[in-house]
Amino acid sequence: DSGVTQTPKHLITATGQRVTLRCSPRSGDLSVYWYQQSLDQGLQFLIQYYNGEERAKGNILERFSAQQFPDLHSELNLSSLELGDSALYFCASSLNPHYEQYFGPGTRLTVT
Amino acid sequence: AQSVTQLDSQVPVFEEAPVELRCNYSSSVSVYLFWYVQYPNQGLQLLLKYLSGSTLVESINGFEAEFNKSQTSFHLRKPSVHISDTAEYFCAVSDLRTRGSYIPTFGRGTSLIVHP
Repeated sequence: DSGVTQTPKHLITATGQRVTLRCSPRSGDLSVYWYQQSLDQGLQFLIQYYNGEERAKGNILERFSAQQFPDLHSELNLSSLELGDSALYFCASSLNPHYEQYFGPGTRLTVT
Repeated sequence: AQSVTQLDSQVPVFEEAPVELRCNYSSSVSVYLFWYVQYPNQGLQLLLKYLSGSTLVESINGFEAEFNKSQTSFHLRKPSVHISDTAEYFCAVSDLRTRGSYIPTFGRGTSLIVHP
């Protein structure tokens, strides 16, 4: 158990819909990262937050947005969903941005 | 821009045989290096890391990796694998981006398949 929790574990929704994925980092970790993992694209970094502030953006689509709240939990919002958004979404946290990351169990999103 | 190349997408090996999973990176700045392991239906777990100091780093379950700056490599090795080592292995590299954030770049992963 990494100490990082993600909800929900599974999500099935239709194209055009909007979903919110939630992540609670390990106690004491200030950095939160979001990743998308799919068979064709591999593991893609989406976005990073540090103590509530956006620190870096990766391959995140404009239809996707995220935030980190004062209690350090984070949410990833995916809107206007397309079939290609079906993937595993991981959240990870770390004490410092350049140190090792602790990954949650992931949310499997299926868009039908 | 940094990149990570894991040279083998799949490595089949028999139990108790040695294994090497290869990782090469390209980066114009100093790097931190990591190996993560992903078991089926789970998230990634840190296996070992190189931040500084000794170029040979070890994990608690018998894996080791050596940082070779001249060859920009960080290959993962184990002298004798077990069935339970069957998993996906990811090499990751971090370099410095804006505002002091280290953004990791992951390789595409190597599937280690251990046969009895």
